[in-house]
Amino acid sequence: DIQMTQSPSSLSASVGDRVTITCRASQGISNYLAWFQQKPGKAPKSLIYAASSLQSGVPSRFSGSGSGTDFTLTISSLQPEDFATYYCQQYSSFPLTFGGGTKVEI
Amino acid sequence: EVHLVESGGGLVQPGGSLRLSCAASGFTFSDQNIDWVRQAPGKGLEWVGRSRNKAKSYTTEYAASVKGRFTFSRDDSNNSLYLQMNSLKTDDTAVYYCVTVSGTYYAFDSWGQGTLVTVSS
Repeated sequence: DIQMTQSPSSLSASVGDRVTITCRASQGISNYLAWFQQKPGKAPKSLIYAASSLQSGVPSRFSGSGSGTDFTLTISSLQPEDFATYYCQQYSSFPLTFGGGTKVEI
Repeated sequence: EVHLVESGGGLVQPGGSLRLSCAASGFTFSDQNIDWVRQAPGKGLEWVGRSRNKAKSYTTEYAASVKGRFTFSRDDSNNSLYLQMNSLKTDDTAVYYCVTVSGTYYAFDSWGQGTLVTVSS
């Protein structure tokens, strides 16, 4: 199975900050990498697919990059509604696997 | 607009069975691959498996943790996907989500709101 390692597991930031979350795969996954946002008590929301493509309706302050084993999610200017937990996921091969999550707190 | 609604969750004893449903609307159900993902209380996301579409002969994939105990089925005429869970364990306690999989880029698209399954005596 491909292991997905996210860092940090949590971070504190302020509105307007630039935030970067990293995700590392235990083996190469090309660009088969997705990012999700989850708020407490809610279902996850798909943000990014193919490492850098934004899902429809996702604000442009979100961006993704990387290929192979190392990936990043960047929020260029953190907004109040962005405080949430973020997960990466590889869909290169079964079983699909998720990172452990990064909680973005005020 | 794609809409997924899970139902059927509840309290069940260890060793028992439960069937979850995922009712879909807003797309051609028979064309769609759909996955199940679960989340134990306070924990991260865990992929459960995939139910492929008619074109892929309704084949399935399962996570090792549920293989042999969980079974997917679907009723295209009712736009519904089912997750039959047998031999339930306390570790199966989680919110279960169904998720559509893009046929173009194979990533997750839309999520349901989830249904809670509690396995406890």
